[in-house]
Amino acid sequence: DAGVTQSPTHLIKTRGQQVTLRCSPKSGHDTVSWYQQALGQGPQFIFQYYEEEERQRGNFPDRFSGHQFPNYSSELNVNALLLGDSALYLCASSLGTGGRKLFFGSGTQLSVL
Amino acid sequence: GIQVEQSPPDLILQEGANSTLRCNFSDSVNNLQWFHQNPWGQLINLFYIPSGTKQNGRLSATTVATERYSLLYISSSQTTDSGVYFCAAQSLFGGGADGLTFGKGTHLIIQP
Repeated sequence: DAGVTQSPTHLIKTRGQQVTLRCSPKSGHDTVSWYQQALGQGPQFIFQYYEEEERQRGNFPDRFSGHQFPNYSSELNVNALLLGDSALYLCASSLGTGGRKLFFGSGTQLSVL
Repeated sequence: GIQVEQSPPDLILQEGANSTLRCNFSDSVNNLQWFHQNPWGQLINLFYIPSGTKQNGRLSATTVATERYSLLYISSSQTTDSGVYFCAAQSLFGGGADGLTFGKGTHLIIQP
């Protein structure tokens, strides 16, 4: 039973560029959430996708956008990268929305130079 | 939004010791989870525990929802228990709009 998988594991970009991160949920799960974890901090909620729609959103600018595909996998896109976007980006999956147990992937470490 | 505070921020123990980690939250919750983040960044779900008590091997957790706190107990610590322990909660009244709110974590070091 495959867990949550994310790609790539590491990524280096320069300011102003755009990046796409990918996530495949745990088998049987239909909901994907994305979190940003800065160094030394707890993860912060970006948004959640269910039935191919953004259902919930945290306090992140519109530069952060996402997509969910019919097979439940998801992408996180960040435009116009800033140095402050450097962080570990974590994907979590669950069965259904709200009040559910989350399973996290290993994350994508993004460095913006 | 809901506030989540964890204590202590850092904890250094000898192998074999027991420990208690605390999580206070500011609102009624419909979701509370404990995670262990290993040195490679992987977040492992330890407990889904919005109320009550659960045990899994050397680990157990208790959430007293009416008093807005949760405790994680680690008994007979092993070096592999080292890492950061996070508590995360979701407000019952927020409609889930905030996702899970994480505390700042407890950094646990178990020395051999």
